[in-house]
Amino acid sequence: ILNVEQSPQSLHVQEGDSTNFTCSFPSSNFYALHWYRWETAKSPEALFVMTLNGDEKKKGRISATLNTKEGYSYLYIKGSQPEDSATYLCAFIAGGFKTIFGAGTRLFVKA
Amino acid sequence: DGGITQSPKYLFRKEGQNVTLSCEQNLNHDAMYWYRQDPGQGLRLIYYSQIVNDFQKGDIAEGYSVSREKKESFPLTVTSAQKNPTAFYLCASSAWGTGEIGDTQYFGPGTRLTVL
Repeated sequence: ILNVEQSPQSLHVQEGDSTNFTCSFPSSNFYALHWYRWETAKSPEALFVMTLNGDEKKKGRISATLNTKEGYSYLYIKGSQPEDSATYLCAFIAGGFKTIFGAGTRLFVKA
Repeated sequence: DGGITQSPKYLFRKEGQNVTLSCEQNLNHDAMYWYRQDPGQGLRLIYYSQIVNDFQKGDIAEGYSVSREKKESFPLTVTSAQKNPTAFYLCASSAWGTGEIGDTQYFGPGTRLTVL
């Protein structure tokens, strides 16, 4: 059974804090890893598509790294802002057609 | 504006009734998906379709049915056979039909179904 775990389940930080969270996935049969941001009352939106071991992606204050050999990806947010408050989902795409989502990390940023 | 629409936003159903959730996209995507979310769990795939008139079961298809008669539309029917239908349902689409590298999914706003 393929399992994708995200930690922590939730995170409360102050405005200006930097934070990071983890997505763990099977290290075999890897095709891609996606990160999505899901704000309350909105649809999940894609942040990053990561495909190669050692990939690093960046969008503004948010960045992500990928280690396919050990099966994890980190998402970093530098200088968190209240508008960063959302649930961050990772999705592991295995060989063939198989997409498995983690349960998400819910981030709360207090002004 | 291109995107995915789902209706209704909230749906209430009595036990024993079938109910159909709508999903429409104007992104010209070949692939469409239905997910279910329960508290504390990740999105679980119910059904997916890679092309018109074809669809495949996902991980939790029991008690659900779908159709894909048009590229733009992928309605989900929650039947009375679904034992625990109360959940949040998300529809998504993607450009490629195989889930391969780069296959980003675009999501609708979701439908919250409550069985009374």
